[in-house]
Parts: sequence; C-alpha cells; structure tokens
Amino acid sequence: SQTIHQWPATLVQPVGSPLSLECTVEGTSNPNLYWYRQAAGRGLQLLFYSVGIGQISSEVPQNLSASRPQDRQFILSSKKLLLSDSGFYLCAWTKTGQGRTEAFFGQGTRLTVV
Amino acid sequence: AQSVTQLGSHVSVSEGALVLLRCNYSSSVPPYLFWYVQYPNQGLQLLLKYTSAATLVKGINGFEAEFKKSETSFHLTKPSAHMSDAAEYFCAVSTPLHNTGKLIFGQGTTLQVKP
Repeated sequence: SQTIHQWPATLVQPVGSPLSLECTVEGTSNPNLYWYRQAAGRGLQLLFYSVGIGQISSEVPQNLSASRPQDRQFILSSKKLLLSDSGFYLCAWTKTGQGRTEAFFGQGTRLTVV
Repeated sequence: AQSVTQLGSHVSVSEGALVLLRCNYSSSVPPYLFWYVQYPNQGLQLLLKYTSAATLVKGINGFEAEFKKSETSFHLTKPSAHMSDAAEYFCAVSTPLHNTGKLIFGQGTTLQVKP
C-alpha cells in the first residue's frame, strides 16, 4: 500500500533562517506531488506541484521554492523565512495523469516563524 | 478557472441532528468533486468523491453528497451527527483538463457537534 511521510511535524524558526521540509511517498512510482499551505481560516492554498523529477510548477509568487530530486521525494525550501511564512504545510500525492483520483495527504508540518 | 465556495465557515448541530455542509463550485468543464475531513493538526482524509458516475455518492462514516449540475452544488450530508464528527471539512474540485490532479479547495467549514 502507498504511504506518505512528511517531517518534521512541528518547527519553530526565527525570521531570516532557512527552511527545508521533506516529503516522501512509498509504494507508488511517478506520482504527482503537491505542497499546500493552510493558514488559519483561509483554507488550503496550492503552492507547488510536480509531475516528474525536476519539474516544478509554482502556483503563487512567494518566498518559498520546491524541488524534486528523486521520483518520490518533494522538498519545500526557503533561504530566509518571513513571519508570513507561518502556517500548516501539507504534502500530497496523486496518481499520474488521472485528474479524477483523490489526493493523499501527509500529516502536515506546523511551521511557526518567530 | 475553477473555484469552490463553502457557505458557512462554522456550522453547529446537536448530536443526532442532521448535518448539512454546503459546497458550490464553478467549472467550465465537468468537474471532479471531493469532500475531505481534517482533525486538529492532522492531514486531510478523503470522505467521498464524485467522478461523473452516480450523482449520489456515499462515503465513509455515514456521509454522503449529491452532485447537482443544475445548482452547481455538491452538499455534504449525514442523517445523524456524532460527537466524533466534529472537525473541519473541505470541499475541493480537480482540474481534469490537464490531468495534473491539482485540487482547488474551498475555505473550509468547521463542524461543531453539541451534546
């Protein structure tokens, strides 16, 4: 069966520090991968998605970047965090080429920038 | 462009009462629609999905939703609320045109269940 791992679960970082959140998927190959951010009372906002290694699409301009160094690994990064980067970050995957399939989510990372 | 609107950011019901969470969508092509549930500090779990088959969709935990094209709605219902249903619920639409699987989410509805 497929599983998705996301870590760390919680993170407190000072303003201006770097960020690296990692997400890995097991039990499937060539998944579509996604990073969402959830701010309080604002639903989920799609930040990045990837349909293959090295292929990253950004949905909104921001202080963050994403990379996909391996087929089942998706990394969210920042060189210098801002207070506004605080939120709950969720990684998700779907099967390739099937818009009707549901997304499977990781347990999320609670990021607090102080 | 596709979008989702969830009417009511907070819904409160008594235990045993009907649960109705509203979702309206906008899409220029036949949509795929989903309902997810989120418990505090956890990821999202799929409740049910509509993918152009039966318009009445049954999901987990006794929830169901009906796709109504004429009303562009996909409301979530449960006949009798349980305390364990208290959570945040998200309606989402996918973009089948490009097969990227991207989900566009509504703002979410927090369901409170009173004893």
